[in-house]
Amino acid sequence: AQTVTQSQPEMSVQEAETVTLSCTYDTSESDYYLFWYKQPPSRQMILVIRQEAYKQQNATENRFSVNFQKAAKSFSLKISDSQLGDAAMYFCAYRSYDNYGQNFVFGPGTRLSVLP
Amino acid sequence: SQTIHQWPATLVQPVGSPLSLECTVEGTSNPNLYWYRQAAGRGLQLLFYSVGIGQISSEVPQNLSASRPQDRQFILSSKKLLLSDSGFYLCAWRQDHRGGYTFGSGTRLTVV
Repeated sequence: AQTVTQSQPEMSVQEAETVTLSCTYDTSESDYYLFWYKQPPSRQMILVIRQEAYKQQNATENRFSVNFQKAAKSFSLKISDSQLGDAAMYFCAYRSYDNYGQNFVFGPGTRLSVLP
Repeated sequence: SQTIHQWPATLVQPVGSPLSLECTVEGTSNPNLYWYRQAAGRGLQLLFYSVGIGQISSEVPQNLSASRPQDRQFILSSKKLLLSDSGFYLCAWRQDHRGGYTFGSGTRLTVV
């Protein structure tokens, strides 16, 4: 079974600075998807960014970018120009390339605080 | 546009009482639907998923059940709640084959 590890339970960053959240995963599959989700205090899960394993190019969404290292099974999230609204729990997630999407594994999360 | 609705937002129920949480999706047909539970300070655990009306797959044996009476309706139930059923429950549907999920706003269940 696949596992997702986030080794940083908590992180903090100064407003306007850059922070990187770490994620590693374990799988024997070659095709899969990786995601970062954000959960603010409202508890709504919001998709931040996703990466297909077959793509070598790192995904980017505005201030959010990933460093995907397939061989190392590493998938870190970089937040540039951090804003107060970025404060939230961030979950790294792995999804198998399956028909129904039931094999969707979440890491334990990293709580990010943004300091003014 | 597609939207997902989940209710109630919060619920306090005594031990031994029944439970019914509802999730509906708008703007799409035949979605894959999922129920997740999030314990305090933890990640998400998949409870049930459904690929069509009346089709339910259970990932974790427990005190809960799920049903899908209509294409865009997914219900999480229990006949008798346990204290350990407390948590944050999230409904989700899969947007496309590339795997992105859209989550509902969640239900915070406290069993007392």
